[in-house]
This record gives sequence, C-alpha cells and structure tokens, in this order.
Amino acid sequence: ILNVEQSPQSLHVQEGDSTNFTCSFPSSNFYALHWYRWETAKSPEALFVMTLNGDEKKKGRISATLNTKEGYSYLYIKGSQPEDSATYLCAFITYNTDKLIFGTGTRLQVFP
Amino acid sequence: NAGVTQTPKFRVLKTGQSMTLLCAQDMNHEYMYWYRQDPGMGLRLIHYSVGEGTTAKGEVPDGYNVSRLKKQNFLLGLESAAPSQTSVYFCASSRRNSPLHFGNGTRLTVT
Repeated sequence: ILNVEQSPQSLHVQEGDSTNFTCSFPSSNFYALHWYRWETAKSPEALFVMTLNGDEKKKGRISATLNTKEGYSYLYIKGSQPEDSATYLCAFITYNTDKLIFGTGTRLQVFP
Repeated sequence: NAGVTQTPKFRVLKTGQSMTLLCAQDMNHEYMYWYRQDPGMGLRLIHYSVGEGTTAKGEVPDGYNVSRLKKQNFLLGLESAAPSQTSVYFCASSRRNSPLHFGNGTRLTVT
C-alpha cells in the first residue's frame, strides 16, 4: 500500500510570513510527484509535476523541491497572502502503476 | 472548451438504490480517474482508466463499478448504495505524466 504523508496537517500564519510544508512518499519505484492547490468550494488545481531528483519548480511566490532518494518534497510560499489560504495536496505515482495517490493535505490559513 | 464535466452535481439516494455518475472530458485525455473526498481523508482513488476500454482498481474500489466505453466518458456506478458511500466524488483526466484536470464534484448523500 502506497502511503503519502503530508505535514503539518494545518498551519496558521500571518500575512507576509513565509511558510513551507512537507510531502513524504516511498522512494522506491518513484515516477512523479504532483502538487495541487485546493480552495474551499472549488476543485483542486495543479501547481507542479516533478519527476527528477533535485528538481526545483517555481510559480510566482510558490516553489517546490524534490528529493526522490529520500522520498520527500517541500512546498514553499514566500510572503504569504490571504488569497494563499487553501489546502495543498501532494500526489505520488510509481513506475509500475498508473495510480495517482494523494496525501491528506496541509490546510493553510493566512490571516491579514 | 468545457474541460471536465460531472453530472449530476447533487444526488440523494436511499440505501440499496443504484445510480451512475457521469464524467465527460473534451481534452482528448487518455487517463481518467474517480476519487472520493471525505473529511480528514483527502482524496482517495476509487477506479481509474488509462485508455478507452480499460479500467483498473484504485485504493477503495469496493461497492463501485466503472466503464470507459468512449475515450471522453468515464462512468462510475453504485449498484446498491450504502450510507458509507455518502461523499463528494471528483472525476479527473490527464495525459500521462501531466497534471490532473478536475471536475466540479458530485455531492452524494445516501440515507
């Protein structure tokens, strides 16, 4: 059974703070890691798809890194804004299956 | 370009009733997925398909069946609904190794 874990479960920060969260996944048979942003009452939206060890991706104030050898990825938000409030999901897929398995997410709330 | 469309948006069933949820995508994606979302559980994969005519089990397939007769459609069936299947169901589609595009979800209540 593939187990994708995210921490922390929830996070409350002040506007302007920078923050980061972790996604841990099994390192064997790694194929790809996805990050999604999920606002309340909406559908998840893709942020990044990462495949190579050492990969770093950036989208505005949000960036992500990937370590496939030790099985983790970090998502960073620089200078958090209230509109960044959402649940951030990671998902993992292995070489020998096409199942995209999600973690339970990190819920971020940014207070003005 | 509608993306991923799920019907219906809401449904209430009685225990033992059956229903089919429809997912349609107009992006010519090979991969399609059905997930359910429950409080504190994130998104759990029910079934998925890597192409027309193919389906496979996900993490929580029991009580559900699927079909992919046409590339653009992925149907999720509940033969005999149970209260444990009360959930929000999300369909998604993608190309291989590409981000998922999600539908707006179907809220199902089984009484």
